[in-house]
Amino acid sequence: DVKVTQSSRYLVKRTGEKVFLECVQDMDHENMFWYRQDPGLGLRLIYFSYDVKMKEKGDIPEGYSVSREKKERFSLILESASTNQTSMYLCASSPTGFRGYTFGSGTRLTVV
Amino acid sequence: GQQLNQSPQSMFIQEGEDVSMNCTSSSIFNTWLWYKQEPGEGPVLLIALYKAGELTSNGRLTAQFGITRKDSFLNISASIPSDVGIYFCAGQPGGGNKLTFGTGTQLKVEL
Repeated sequence: DVKVTQSSRYLVKRTGEKVFLECVQDMDHENMFWYRQDPGLGLRLIYFSYDVKMKEKGDIPEGYSVSREKKERFSLILESASTNQTSMYLCASSPTGFRGYTFGSGTRLTVV
Repeated sequence: GQQLNQSPQSMFIQEGEDVSMNCTSSSIFNTWLWYKQEPGEGPVLLIALYKAGELTSNGRLTAQFGITRKDSFLNISASIPSDVGIYFCAGQPGGGNKLTFGTGTQLKVEL
């Protein structure tokens, strides 16, 4: 069964901490994405990557960065966590020749 | 970034009822997708639509790609308790692999 795995289901971090959210896919997909999900706002794209070492900003990149050193792994980095970054974070991947995304189970991050 | 207008925001229905929800956009999409998200999980793809006017079914679910390419509809027939969740529409504008998501429809089913 193909999978997108997010390393943590729940995280609690302090304001100002540097936070790493990890995502790994086993489907050899070229494209990977990070979204955040907030009630009433749907899914908003933070960053995406079409290939190793490539990254592009999504709609709300401020306060975030990403890293893609290997094809299967896409990391989201909160440089200095703030309370307004408390959210559900979803990672997704898709192959070239678009047929929709496969999502991970999400990481619920709380910044206190 | 663009968001799709999805309605209704939430629905509370009786078991056995049919459900309809829709999604509209101010711009054209080449692909429409419908996802379901259950509590504590990521969204799972239900139906994908690739052509204007296309009508596709997946069990009790039926979705249509609007002729104008600016809207899509999802119908669930004879709802059951496990239909509970948040349903998202998503559109791909053509070229590339980025999706734009709707704000979601929360479905609650009363026994």
